[in-house]
Amino acid sequence: EAGVAQSPRYKIIEKRQSVAFWCNPISGHATLYWYQQILGQGPKLLIQFQNNGVVDDSQLPKDRFSAERLKGVDSTLKIQPAKLEDSAVYLCASSSGTDYGYTFGSGTRLTVV
Amino acid sequence: QKEVEQNSGPLSVPEGAIASLNCTYSDRGSQSFFWYRQYSGKSPELIMFIYSNGDKEDGRFTAQLNKASQYVSLLIRDSQPSDSATYLCAVNTGGFKTIFGAGTRLFVKA
Repeated sequence: EAGVAQSPRYKIIEKRQSVAFWCNPISGHATLYWYQQILGQGPKLLIQFQNNGVVDDSQLPKDRFSAERLKGVDSTLKIQPAKLEDSAVYLCASSSGTDYGYTFGSGTRLTVV
Repeated sequence: QKEVEQNSGPLSVPEGAIASLNCTYSDRGSQSFFWYRQYSGKSPELIMFIYSNGDKEDGRFTAQLNKASQYVSLLIRDSQPSDSATYLCAVNTGGFKTIFGAGTRLFVKA
């Protein structure tokens, strides 16, 4: 089975610019997650979708971050405007259910300068 | 604040030894528990999950769960240099919420 696809792999932007990340989950996985992982820390959930509805976005900085999952498949995560502290790896994951663990994509390493 | 705690390490073991990684969690209602392995510069990879008290074995890996003590551990037998990575403990706290610990770095010395 194909894995979780993410793009781009790397992105360098200046602060106050905008950036978007794309994710295509494993076919048939209803649940999609976006995580932020800062170097030396565990992944922190930003937003969780069940099909195309938002289940949890309590830790998403909504003044600058937005995410959507159209038609319950692909998802995009956007940051506008970016801050220096947004430098991190952004991981997309999908699962067929919360009891089965996640499959992560390769991540996007964002550097804000 | 629901938490998952891990010793950051690094934990250093010689090749062939047993590596023991530990994790505690704060939410007594937690139902499912996961261990992920993350190599440097790579994304996390699921290696084990456990739902019931006791041990669960898969090859060289054994997950142990004690809900009364709110404790989950991962044992790696016959450790190999290729096991050197960060091991993340993740806990599903009910519903759709899964919280990750910060991870324990493991070094296996050849």
